[in-house]
Order: sequence, then C-alpha cells, then structure tokens
Amino acid sequence: QVQLQESGPGLVKSSETLSLTCTVSGVFITNYYWSWIRQSPGKGLEWIGFLYYTGTTNYNPSLRSRVTMSLDTSKNQFSLKLNSVTAADTAVYYCARLLDYSTSSPFDHWGQGTLVTVSS
Amino acid sequence: QSVLTQPPSVSGAPGQRVTISCTGSSSNIGAGYDLHWYQHLPGTAPKLLIYGNNNRPSGVPDRFSGSKSGTSASLAITGLQGEDEADYYCQSYDSSLSGSVFGGGTKLTVL
Repeated sequence: QVQLQESGPGLVKSSETLSLTCTVSGVFITNYYWSWIRQSPGKGLEWIGFLYYTGTTNYNPSLRSRVTMSLDTSKNQFSLKLNSVTAADTAVYYCARLLDYSTSSPFDHWGQGTLVTVSS
Repeated sequence: QSVLTQPPSVSGAPGQRVTISCTGSSSNIGAGYDLHWYQHLPGTAPKLLIYGNNNRPSGVPDRFSGSKSGTSASLAITGLQGEDEADYYCQSYDSSLSGSVFGGGTKLTVL
C-alpha cells in the first residue's frame, strides 16, 4: 500500500532554512503529483505547493518567494525547502499525494506529519 | 482567515445526524471546482472522507455523505458514533489563488 513518511529537523532557527523530505513507498513518485501541507498550532490546514517529476511546480502565493520543492526519483523521495523562516512557520508539516492530475484534485494519501518548531 | 468558511464546532448525540457546512465563493466552489472532505484526528494523518463532492473512497462508511450547491457544500454524518469525534476539513481549488484551499476546520464533538 502507499505510504508517506516525513523526515527532517524538528527545530530550526529563525531566519534559517527549513528542510524536509518525504519518502514514498508502494508507488513510483513519477506517476503522481505530490504536495506539502502544513498546520500551524491551533489553526487549520494550509496548502504549501505541489510538484510533478517533470519539474512542474505550483506554490501557494503567500509562500512562493521562500519555497522550493524538488524530487529525487532514485530514492523515491521529494523535498521541501522553506527559507528565511520565522515563528509563524512553526507547524506540523505533512506530505501528501494528489489523487489525479486535475486542478482540484484531492489528497488521497498523507504522511503522519512532522512538527517543525522555529526558535529565536 | 481561511478561503473556505466552516463552523468552528458542531456536536451531536450518538445515533443523531449532523451536518458541517463549507462556504466558498465564485472563484472556488461556485466556479464548479470539486469539493473534498477530510477527517483528522490530532497526531494522525488526515483521511480523505469524501472526494468529488459526493464520492466515498473505499472503506469509508455510507454514514458519511457530501453535497454541493452554488458556492456551498455540506458534509452529513448519520448514525453518529463516538469514533466520529474528530476535526473535519473541506478543500477545493481556487482560481484566484491558483492553488488548493482548505476550510478552517470543524471540531465534531459526540455528546
């Protein structure tokens, strides 16, 4: 079955770069679109962006200037980098798979999430 | 402020029926984009509950149903059970933002 697992530092210093990796098992990442979503403490879900193995990406306009997503097909992984982080970037970060290629695709598989805390 | 608006909380007794609303605008739900629902228990992965407005993934009980009309959508849960106590989120696409948008979430309490 499809499984996603986030990994990366749980603590990042303010103004530095947050880096997370999502390891996918059960399917080849080249066959789907993949996404990052986060949830700040006490708040709802926020879509960060999606990517496809061809290099196609689409980022949330509110984060676009600080976000980079990439894939490593040899490891069946994809990654998130968010630079110049502040306390507002403290959140549980989820990686997820898009069900299909439509613009309004749902996310049908999710990782368990990883908490990233930005410290001053 | 989320693009899609949900009530912060709803509650119901076991066996009852509850509905959770999701209100959007002409650039998302009203534009005809599909609406999806997720069930989220803190500390776990969100679970796709309803996709494409009213479709259930395999394994989701038929106690859960979705509907959409105009710029709004609803999730209905019948025969409420204690295990249904969770946070519920709606999600769609917004053409103004050119990306996915979520509701703020609704906490369901089973009394």
